[in-house]
Amino acid sequence: DGGITQSPKYLFRKEGQNVTLSCEQNLNHDAMYWYRQDPGQGLRLIYYSQIVNDFQKGDIAEGYSVSREKKESFPLTVTSAQKNPTAFYLCASSIPGYGNQPQHFGDGTRLSIL
Amino acid sequence: AQSVAQPEDQVNVAEGNPLTVKCTYSVSGNPYLFWYVQYPNRGLQFLLKYITGDNLVKGSYGFEAEFNKSQTSFHLKKPSALVSDSALYFCAVRDYSGGGADGLTFGKGTHLIIQP
Repeated sequence: DGGITQSPKYLFRKEGQNVTLSCEQNLNHDAMYWYRQDPGQGLRLIYYSQIVNDFQKGDIAEGYSVSREKKESFPLTVTSAQKNPTAFYLCASSIPGYGNQPQHFGDGTRLSIL
Repeated sequence: AQSVAQPEDQVNVAEGNPLTVKCTYSVSGNPYLFWYVQYPNRGLQFLLKYITGDNLVKGSYGFEAEFNKSQTSFHLKKPSALVSDSALYFCAVRDYSGGGADGLTFGKGTHLIIQP
């Protein structure tokens, strides 16, 4: 079945440590996104990529980094500069265009601080 | 700038009754509007979208939504609620005059609780 796979499901970060969240899709979508979900705050966009080797900052990019070396993969690194990283992280993909295509979501990674 | 408001944190409905989850939006141009549902510890699932055309949009699992341009609203509805409809619902908007394929703007979500 086509879909988006996020791993790991749960992740713990020590202070000063960088951690990387994996996102892989086999939907052949060009566009991919990372969102952060906090209770009562909805989803906020961290980074997005419309095509391989290109990505753009979203609303809350500080303390995060991404790469897009392959169409299928869009890993997110939470750096030590992100002082409040505890959240549920969601990866999504879509057919690019003018925003009229629905986004398909993975099942998320829950990041906590040790 | 674009924004979405879901005025109710929680909606309680008895099983078998009709349900409505409210959403209002603000965009500078014309909107693309979406509803998603999220079950605990899962990602979001797409329910339906409004792009253009008929104001009443039908989607998955018997849900529908009514687009009202004058009231800038896109309320989610279902004629008869099921206990299995209990979940977190998100409304999202994209201003299509902006071009490109950047992310959607989501509301804060509404917890829908269907009581047996």
